[in-house]
Amino acid sequence: TQLLEQSPQFLSIQEGENLTVYCNSSSVFSSLQWYRQEPGEGPVLLVTVVTGGEVKKLKRLTFQFGDARKDSSLHITAAQTGDTGLYLCAGGRSGNTPLVFGKGTRLSVIA
Amino acid sequence: DAGITQSPRHKVTETGTPVTLRCHQTENHRYMYWYRQDPGHGLRLIHYSYGVKDTDKGEVSDGYSVSRSKTEDFLLTLESATSSQTSVYFCAIGTDSSTDTQYFGPGTRLTVL
Repeated sequence: TQLLEQSPQFLSIQEGENLTVYCNSSSVFSSLQWYRQEPGEGPVLLVTVVTGGEVKKLKRLTFQFGDARKDSSLHITAAQTGDTGLYLCAGGRSGNTPLVFGKGTRLSVIA
Repeated sequence: DAGITQSPRHKVTETGTPVTLRCHQTENHRYMYWYRQDPGHGLRLIHYSYGVKDTDKGEVSDGYSVSRSKTEDFLLTLESATSSQTSVYFCAIGTDSSTDTQYFGPGTRLTVL
């Protein structure tokens, strides 16, 4: 059972376009994290959101945590070729339970 | 740079041989994790540790064992490697299991022939 579903799985867009990727679950999470992974490297944290309805901005990236803390979205404005990579969401739960990762959205931004 | 190294970075081995992968951290973080990443499956947790000699199983622990005798080192052992264990293995560290950042190592590409 996949606790976190990411969509779309693959996305190919032209430089300058806007895009949104989604991370959905039927479970409630105490936190939601987004990571970006480039080929041959480990994932790197972009942001952590912990409050339902929270919106965080990181330059051209906007992250939102759903009001019910079951879903999240990542919006990229004016995509650049450097945004190309695998975007992973991960949900945090209480206690010693590790993060749950989605399978990721593979983004390709073409010049 | 989160101070995580993995060794070896690449390894080719034969079915049935034992293999040990090492993860070393310089950050003194409590939590350490081993994941494998495969196309179509994403990152899957193999084992994790929440302190020296405190470990627990993840979702794909069969065929793997771990040990943590020091805070800085977390070893992953494939007792008898199989072709299905061909994968990229990532180690990660964190100060809190549920909400804090996980810092990932550079990965080990393992091929089992």
